[in-house]
Amino acid sequence: AQTVTQSQPEMSVQEAETVTLSCTYDTSESDYYLFWYKQPPSRQMILVIRQEAYKQQNATENRFSVNFQKAAKSFSLKISDSQLGDAAMYFCAYRRLGSNYKLTFGKGTLLTVNP
Amino acid sequence: DAGVIQSPRHEVTEMGQEVTLRCKPISGHDYLFWYRQTMMRGLELLIYFNNNVPIDDSGMPEDRFSAKMPNASFSTLKIQPSEPRDSAVYFCASRRGLGRETQYFGPGTRLLVL
Repeated sequence: AQTVTQSQPEMSVQEAETVTLSCTYDTSESDYYLFWYKQPPSRQMILVIRQEAYKQQNATENRFSVNFQKAAKSFSLKISDSQLGDAAMYFCAYRRLGSNYKLTFGKGTLLTVNP
Repeated sequence: DAGVIQSPRHEVTEMGQEVTLRCKPISGHDYLFWYRQTMMRGLELLIYFNNNVPIDDSGMPEDRFSAKMPNASFSTLKIQPSEPRDSAVYFCASRRGLGRETQYFGPGTRLLVL
């Protein structure tokens, strides 16, 4: 079975600084999707960024980028120029290719942004 | 697009009462998912549907929980009778099944059972 591990229960960063959240996963598949979701205090789950395993290029969305290391099964999220609004719980998630497969989530990392 | 819509946003009820949570997926999405989130257990998938048909309900905790999807634009999650340990945030999410589609979450329903 696929598993997703986020080894950092909590992280903190100073405003305007850069922080990296770690995620590793276990799979025997060669093609799949990886996601980072953000959950602010409002509790809504918001998609931050998505990576397709067949793509070698790391995904980027404005201040958010990933470091996808397929061989190491690692998928870290880098937040540059951190803002107070980035404070949230961040979840890493995995999904197998194919319509009938569901998301597998990590336990989450709580990010605090200090002014 | 309005996104995934859930109602109510907050629900407070007494133990033993029936609770019905509602979800409207994004138009054109043929997969719908129900999740439960608690501090203790994190985010759990309860059940999901494809084209209104339940595909995997192995996450439904017990017979007190039931979910239906009578049409492509509406789903319900019902708890009868409710218990205090059902207190959680319940999320509905949807996605399109073709291609490499992303799952979109609703705002969640915060349920408190007293």
